[in-house]
Amino acid sequence: NAGVTQTPKFRILKIGQSMTLQCTQDMNHNYMYWYRQDPGMGLKLIYYSVGAGITDKGEVPNGYNVSRSTTEDFPLRLELAAPSQTSVYFCASSQNQGAGANVLTFGAGSRLTVL
Amino acid sequence: LAKTTQPISMDSYEGQEVNITCSHNNIATNDYITWYQQFPSQGPRFIIQGYKTKVTNEVASLFIPADRKSSTLSLPRVSLSDTAVYYCLVGGSDYKLSFGAGTTVTVRA
Repeated sequence: NAGVTQTPKFRILKIGQSMTLQCTQDMNHNYMYWYRQDPGMGLKLIYYSVGAGITDKGEVPNGYNVSRSTTEDFPLRLELAAPSQTSVYFCASSQNQGAGANVLTFGAGSRLTVL
Repeated sequence: LAKTTQPISMDSYEGQEVNITCSHNNIATNDYITWYQQFPSQGPRFIIQGYKTKVTNEVASLFIPADRKSSTLSLPRVSLSDTAVYYCLVGGSDYKLSFGAGTTVTVRA
């Protein structure tokens, strides 16, 4: 049982390049989330999904896209990388334990630098 | 979406008890209160969750007053390894789970 797996762990991009951060969970969780964390700051919600085929915007969705074609996978795509997207990205998942009782399991993070 | 407010930082010494209070004035009836711990370069991890009164597990206690507008995470007898950022998260009924700024706890020898 690997939990939440994120790849890659590290990546350097040039301005304008595109890439996809992969996130896979093997816990059959319904809910999945993408957060970004800038140095010394808290986590900001980018996108979330309550099930396959359903995604919704979080606090800071601009510059990102997501898809949820399966329960297990929730990739995050950056189309035109900008220096402001330099951050650590965390994927998380949770099971529906009833409204308001979600417990998040986080991946190890993906550190992205845009130069 | 219930907004949370926590102190930015707290200092303590090994062996002391650390209490971190989180304010969440507009908590909804169905919301739970969950606390997470984050070490540098790691994702947050679950510590404890509660709905009302007091909850205790092997690492912490969570105190929630009757009006549920605040909660206090209590870490008994902290050690250097408890130095971390602690986040209070109030569960949204729409599952849009947003974190606050967190509290940096520094434990000194």
